[in-house]
Amino acid sequence: SAVISQKPSRDICQRGTSLTIQCQVDSQVTMMFWYRQQPGQSLTLIATANQGSEATYESGFVIDKFPISRPNLTFSTLTVSNMSPEDSSIYLCSVEGGEGQPQHFGDGTRLSIL
Amino acid sequence: GESVGLHLPTLSVQEGDNSIINCAYSNSASDYFIWYKQESGKGPQFIIDIRSNMDKRQGQRVTVLLNKTVKHLSLQIAATQPGDSAVYFCAENHAAQKLVFGQGTRLTINP
Repeated sequence: SAVISQKPSRDICQRGTSLTIQCQVDSQVTMMFWYRQQPGQSLTLIATANQGSEATYESGFVIDKFPISRPNLTFSTLTVSNMSPEDSSIYLCSVEGGEGQPQHFGDGTRLSIL
Repeated sequence: GESVGLHLPTLSVQEGDNSIINCAYSNSASDYFIWYKQESGKGPQFIIDIRSNMDKRQGQRVTVLLNKTVKHLSLQIAATQPGDSAVYFCAENHAAQKLVFGQGTRLTINP
């Protein structure tokens, strides 16, 4: 399966600031996804990062708050904008494993907002 | 420490015993189901999957059972080991590769 690297692995940020999380894959993949995992919760899909076009956001998530870039088939970024303590979560990148195959996840970015 | 799973349902079993983790899924149209294991400080790791045309699938020490009639999925882990301690999530696949995750269960293996 693909090797997925996320940076940073964790960060502590001040409210009102923004942080960009990077996701790098060691092979070309068509589908990349961004999830949020709030403390003590399960994973919730934020958006699908589409190469060459705007990301597809799930209900409750908007581009102004979570802008996403996907410049090529191996890289994506998620920005958490104008952060508040409620944004303290783990943010996870995943990639498709091929048609009909399971998604594989990076180890996530643990974000705390003071 | 890691904050994932603090409020999740928990299951404790003795080392060497078998464990069964259950999951109810929501969409009768889902046709692909996956179990993930998440250890502290890591992302979800694929364990086993099953498609809706099957009732049972076995892997190494793990078995997944699917009951479509009642929309229920279970993960059986045989001869549990300390390394099996983790949070386990089921996920159902909707159209266009969108995964919907269950709430998760924290499994603790007692020595």
